[in-house]
Amino acid sequence: EIVLTQSPATLSLSPGERATLSCRATETIASYLSWFQQKPGQPPRLLIYDTSNRATGIPTRFSGSGSGTDFTLTISSLEPEDFAVYYCQQRTNWPPVFTFGPGTKVEMK
Amino acid sequence: QMQVQESGSGLVRPSQTLSLTCDVSGGSINSGRYSWSWVRQSPGKGLEWIGYIYHSGSAYYHPSLRGRVTISIDRSKNQFYLNLSSVTAADTALYYCARVSAVESCSGGSCYLNDVFDIWGQGTMVTVSA
Repeated sequence: EIVLTQSPATLSLSPGERATLSCRATETIASYLSWFQQKPGQPPRLLIYDTSNRATGIPTRFSGSGSGTDFTLTISSLEPEDFAVYYCQQRTNWPPVFTFGPGTKVEMK
Repeated sequence: QMQVQESGSGLVRPSQTLSLTCDVSGGSINSGRYSWSWVRQSPGKGLEWIGYIYHSGSAYYHPSLRGRVTISIDRSKNQFYLNLSSVTAADTALYYCARVSAVESCSGGSCYLNDVFDIWGQGTMVTVSA
């Protein structure tokens, strides 16, 4: 089973700063890598799919990159509404099994 | 805009079966573009994929739940369902249903379909307790 780890567990930043979130897989995965944002009391919201494609309506300050086992979500300049928990998700090829990382909390410094 | 909404029993006794319904509105559950999934989140914890069902009716489940979980679909009602048997306290969680869109991506001359969890319900809390 592929396991995803995310680092750091918590990122303390101020509005306007750049956030770099890491997601690492225990083995090489295809581009089936998505990122979600979750705020308290809300369901996850899709940000990025296929490693680097922004979902509909997602601001351009969110970008994804990576390949193999290492993937990154970058928020170029944090807005107040960006403070939340971020999860990465991957899918095995066949049979399809989806796993989520444990999450990175981006908190206001 | 398509929406999904969970409903079902909020309290389930240990060893019993958890049953949830997901209502799909604003579009047809029959579309070949979509699959339908359940994901859960234990209190204060991360997300765990439970399984999903294609429009064709084929279903796939997380290996750790296989044998206890069944996802089914009723096209006439525009609904899909989750049944999880022999529940324990470890199954206490917020259960989400989600639409999964098949999105084509091409790279290096080859194309593939990816599953993208693009629409989520608000979630329904299920507690397993005697």
